Amino acid sequence: SQQGEEDPQALSIQEGENATMNCSYKTSINNLQWYRQNSGRGLVHLILIRSNEREKHSGRLRVTLDTSKKSSSLLITASRAADTASYFCATDKSYGNNRLAFGKGNQVVVIP
Amino acid sequence: NAGVTQTPKFQVLKTGQSMTLQCAQDMNHEYMSWYRQDPGMGLRLIHYSVGAGITDQGEVPNGYNVSRSTTEDFPLRLLSAAPSQTSVYFCASSYQGVDEQFFGPGTRLTVL
Repeated sequence: SQQGEEDPQALSIQEGENATMNCSYKTSINNLQWYRQNSGRGLVHLILIRSNEREKHSGRLRVTLDTSKKSSSLLITASRAADTASYFCATDKSYGNNRLAFGKGNQVVVIP
Repeated sequence: NAGVTQTPKFQVLKTGQSMTLQCAQDMNHEYMSWYRQDPGMGLRLIHYSVGAGITDQGEVPNGYNVSRSTTEDFPLRLLSAAPSQTSVYFCASSYQGVDEQFFGPGTRLTVL
């Protein structure tokens, strides 16, 4: 089974609102990453959180990691139309097999 | 820096034809990988390389070959194209291992 599974839902929110999406995984990890993909483009790295970290911030992004529940959440505050994209989580495995496993993605639409 | 470049951007093949998708990076990254992205499936790892001369299989390697003769280049070869290989292909690289990945813009491949 695949590491890194986002909640399979599409979000549609108004500009200025917050957007939250979740990711669960199955085996122990070294780190968890979030990526953004705009339509028709490649993925862009947003943030990496290591297994010994519980929360990390980057600008309007806040990521949490709960290793006991094997889950992570990505919060985008004060959303903008430019945040419209698909968001993917990706995990490696703690025994370090040099593979990154991506979830299926979560589409967010921010309405101006 | 150009980052990660991929050619071609679009390609249409007939079943049974072969072709090579090119990927190059100018960041002196050791780790390079190929993914395919299909609707509703997220990204799936095809092959990866931890350095020049070293390659390994990912999640879906069948029908694809890779080689890594230089640090900069990591071409993906389709030996005998099949309609099931219709997909968007992304190349990615990182300085080392599976930390922050830098993605190319993708190649959209259609096999008729």
